[in-house]
Order: sequence, then structure tokens, then C-alpha cells
Amino acid sequence: KQEVTQIPAALSVPEGENLVLNCSFTDSAIYNLQWFRQDPGKGLTSLLLIQSSQREQTSGRLNASLDKSSGRSTLYIAASQPGDSATYLCAVRGYTGANSKLTFGKGITLSVRP
Amino acid sequence: GAGVSQSPSNKVTEKGKDVELRCDPISGHTALYWYRQSLGQGLEFLIYFQGNSAPDKSGLPSDRFSAERTGGSVSTLTIQRTQQEDSAVYLCASSRGLAGLQETQYFGPGTRLLVL
Repeated sequence: KQEVTQIPAALSVPEGENLVLNCSFTDSAIYNLQWFRQDPGKGLTSLLLIQSSQREQTSGRLNASLDKSSGRSTLYIAASQPGDSATYLCAVRGYTGANSKLTFGKGITLSVRP
Repeated sequence: GAGVSQSPSNKVTEKGKDVELRCDPISGHTALYWYRQSLGQGLEFLIYFQGNSAPDKSGLPSDRFSAERTGGSVSTLTIQRTQQEDSAVYLCASSRGLAGLQETQYFGPGTRLLVL
């Protein structure tokens, strides 16, 4: 069964800092990996989706990389802003059975201090 | 619609009562998912509907949980004889249902359920 781990659970940084959020998964046979953002009391917003054949995706100040063989993904946030404060969730999708559903990590709660 | 909507946004109930949670997917989306997010836990898949196919119920934690989707649109998640451990945020998501595993899911704001 696929397991997704995100460490640390919480992170606090000063505004302007570049930062990296880590995600690891146990089964490398994934179809794609997705990073989501969740604001308090809100649903999830998809940030980036990386197919298994891709190594990275970029959107604005966000860059997500995927190393499928080592079971790792990173979300890079450049020049962090207080508005980036939220919980960031990593999710992987496998090919078959239970793993064909999205398996989520517990998330990293990011606080960017003005 | 503009996005996935869920109702109620918050629900407080007493242990043993039944509750119904509603999800309105994005118009035209044929795939619909229910997830549960418990405090300190990751999102847990519950059930998946795709068009007229039989739903994938493999994530439902017990037979107290059931869901239906009427007319291929609105879905209702029902929890019978609620227990305190059912307290969580229940999230619904939908996707177009055309591209299988490649698709992005769009999430609703969730229903926060508290069982006293």
C-alpha cells in the first residue's frame, strides 16, 4: 500500500525566503503526483500536477520536481510572501487497485512572517 | 456551476444520530469523489462515482457509511449511527471523467462534522 510522508509538519519562515517542501512516497510505480494548497476552512486547490514521465512543472513562483525512482518530490517556493501561508499537500496516484486513488500526505503547514 | 459546492458547511450532531452531507459537482463533471480529513491525518479516500458505472466503495470505513449519486450529478454521503470518531472534514471533488488517471480533481470547501 502506498504511503506518502511530508516532513516537517509545520514550517515558519520570514517573508522573502526561498523554501523547499519535501514529499516522499513508498511505491515508485506512480502515474502522477500532485501538489495542493489548502487554506483554513477551505477546500483544496491544485497547484501543480507532474506526470510520471515528467521531472518538473513550473507555475509562477512555484516549481515542483519529481524523482520517481527515489520516491521523492519537492515543491520550491521562490520569494515567499505572507499570502503563501497555507497547508501544502502532496498526493500520488498509482495505476491499479487502491493505489489508483489519490494517496495524500498529511501536509505541511507553512507560515510566512511579514 | 463555478465550482464544487457542499452543504452544510458545518454540522454538529449527537452520537447515534444519522447525518446527510451533500455535494454539488461542477456542471458536466462525470467523476465524483468523497474524502475524509481527520484531525492530524491525511485525506482518506472514501468512494468514487464515474458516470453510470457502479461506484468504487473500497474506501468506506464501515457499513454505517453509504453514498449515492442521483441523476449523475448531486451526491449525498450518509453516515448512520454516528460515532465520535466520525468527526472530520468531509471533502467532495469532481473531475471531467474523460481522461482517467490524468485528470485534476476540483475540491469543494468541505463539511465539518462534529459528533458530540
